[in-house]
Amino acid sequence: NAGVTQTPKFQVLKTGQSMTLQCAQDMNHEYMSWYRQDPGMGLRLIHYSVGAGITDQGEVPNGYNVSRSTTEDFPLRLLSAAPSQTSVYFCASSYSATRGQPQHFGDGTRLSIL
Amino acid sequence: SQQGEEDPQALSIQEGENATMNCSYKTSINNLQWYRQNSGRGLVHLILIRSNEREKHSGRLRVTLDTSKKSSSLLITASRAADTASYFCATSPMDTGRRALTFGSGTRLQVQP
Repeated sequence: NAGVTQTPKFQVLKTGQSMTLQCAQDMNHEYMSWYRQDPGMGLRLIHYSVGAGITDQGEVPNGYNVSRSTTEDFPLRLLSAAPSQTSVYFCASSYSATRGQPQHFGDGTRLSIL
Repeated sequence: SQQGEEDPQALSIQEGENATMNCSYKTSINNLQWYRQNSGRGLVHLILIRSNEREKHSGRLRVTLDTSKKSSSLLITASRAADTASYFCATSPMDTGRRALTFGSGTRLQVQP
């Protein structure tokens, strides 16, 4: 099993551009989430989904959109990139949406906004 | 805001020594988890301790939880160079509907061979 796969691994954008970060899991996990990791701040939750067709906002949702049309995929869209969105983005999944399940992480997308 | 805060921020030890990292949190929790992150990689789940447990072991890892002090510790015994990584605690707060974990800012562990 591949686990959680994120693409691309690296990306450089110009301010104002849009893009989609891809996330796919092959474990039939119910719960998926997106985090951003900034130096000295740990991981902060952007959006999450408890199943196909259901998404909700996390701690820092502004400037990002998500959708969950299938169990496997949970893409993150940057609508109009800003330098403040320079970060490392991690997608994670867990077996169920029950509170506090251990999460499986992808290896991240390193995004720079110029 | 950060629910879990690790201490120390950085730790450097010699191979064979024990490494202890601490985590403090603010609100009541369902469970507390520890994760490891190697440089340039995603986080890997190490161990979960429930709010009604006080201590848990997994191989060379020992985790304690003190809910009265809202704190946890992770002990890595007989450390190896391969243990070099960042370690994060993550809490599952009781008072949120977001079903998500809240991560601390991590402890960077360097094990010198």
